[in-house]
Amino acid sequence: GAVVSQHPSRVICKSGTSVKIECRSLDFQATTMFWYRQFPKQSLMLMATSNEGSKATYEQGVEKDKFLINHASLTLSTLTVTSAHPEDSSFYICSARGFGRVGTEAFFGQGTRLTVV
Amino acid sequence: GESVGLHLPTLSVQEGDNSIINCAYSNSASDYFIWYKQESGKGPQFIIDIRSNMDKRQGQRVTVLLNKTVKHLSLQIAATQPGDSAVYFCAENIGGGADGLTFGKGTHLIIQP
Repeated sequence: GAVVSQHPSRVICKSGTSVKIECRSLDFQATTMFWYRQFPKQSLMLMATSNEGSKATYEQGVEKDKFLINHASLTLSTLTVTSAHPEDSSFYICSARGFGRVGTEAFFGQGTRLTVV
Repeated sequence: GESVGLHLPTLSVQEGDNSIINCAYSNSASDYFIWYKQESGKGPQFIIDIRSNMDKRQGQRVTVLLNKTVKHLSLQIAATQPGDSAVYFCAENIGGGADGLTFGKGTHLIIQP
């Protein structure tokens, strides 16, 4: 299947700092990327949907100014957690869907474990 | 709001037996369903999907059944192996996959030797 890569896989940052997470589609062009958050022993919750070249669409309750999403190219989307706090510690996962795969599965990255201390 | 739900948080089965993982959904408008497997510390791995115009779909060792009347989805894993140990999530979508997914709470499948 298609490959979606996230970087970094783990990051520890100090409270108040910002962290950027990258999501790349390695072997296809991703027209749409999705960002999810998963707390321990819980399910994945959709945070936002980003389409290449346009503003992201955020789910209800997700602060767009805190979770900045950029999808500037067909192979890269970034999520920046600004002014991170301990409650932002979570597992962040992206998925990507693209040309030739319309209407079917989105491929997931391996996730990024964020710990804010 | 409506979401995909869970029947059992943990399922323990003997190696070699068949596993059945259940999922209830409440949004009657959902028309696309997917089962994912997630191992600890990793992203979800696609297993099998089914559209609402079908009631059964088979893959390698896995079968998904969809009962739209009672809004129920199940994943059957044949001849369960140790490598099947993971958390399994069902996910739903409206529009055939065009939007983000709504995930169920997950079932932790434990394989007994």
